[in-house]
Amino acid sequence: QKEVEQDPGPLSVPEGAIVSLNCTYSNSAFQYFMWYRQYSRKGPELLMYTYSSGNKEDGRFTAQVDKSSKYISLFIRDSQPSDSATYLCAMALRSGGGADGLTFGKGTHLIIQP
Amino acid sequence: SQTIHQWPATLVQPVGSPLSLECTVEGTSNPNLYWYRQAAGRGLQLLFYSVGIGQISSEVPQNLSASRPQDRQFILSSKKLLLSDSGFYLCAWSGDRNSPLHFGNGTRLTVT
Repeated sequence: QKEVEQDPGPLSVPEGAIVSLNCTYSNSAFQYFMWYRQYSRKGPELLMYTYSSGNKEDGRFTAQVDKSSKYISLFIRDSQPSDSATYLCAMALRSGGGADGLTFGKGTHLIIQP
Repeated sequence: SQTIHQWPATLVQPVGSPLSLECTVEGTSNPNLYWYRQAAGRGLQLLFYSVGIGQISSEVPQNLSASRPQDRQFILSSKKLLLSDSGFYLCAWSGDRNSPLHFGNGTRLTVT
């Protein structure tokens, strides 16, 4: 069983739709959960950063963490063509990753159709 | 505000040649610094981690090495590149213990 599972997609949705991106993980010791957005040929950009379970909202983005199910989600409301990118989930035992680094999903390629 | 710089953006090198990739961080002191490699279909792999000058932890045995000659400078090197060293190399930093990782824009290395 892989440590972090993420559907690679591509996921194609029309502009304005609500997008749901998900990751599952196996290590119950993970405490910190992140979502990164990566445009082609660029480095990952931090979108959301949460600790333990619960919801966090930032503009059109909402991150959810369900530690009991080992499941995290990123919702994008009113999706725009500029949201087209690869979305990486990441998780860590310690903030910043520490010596263990971050454990990443392989990313979901999202396409927003105008 | 903090910024991270990586260069070069792209690099094509022959097998057996040396490598030096540089990363610098501005606007913070004593950052934790990281080198990751991203290969197609394989996700991000942590290569090296540093908590301070001269302090390097290696996560994966390989043909690469890292050095931190200054507080905000992190260098990835190889004496002789292999074809398998091709990939997208990312430098990242984090601040205090409660801050997440921030990545540079990467170097795309092709070994021919």
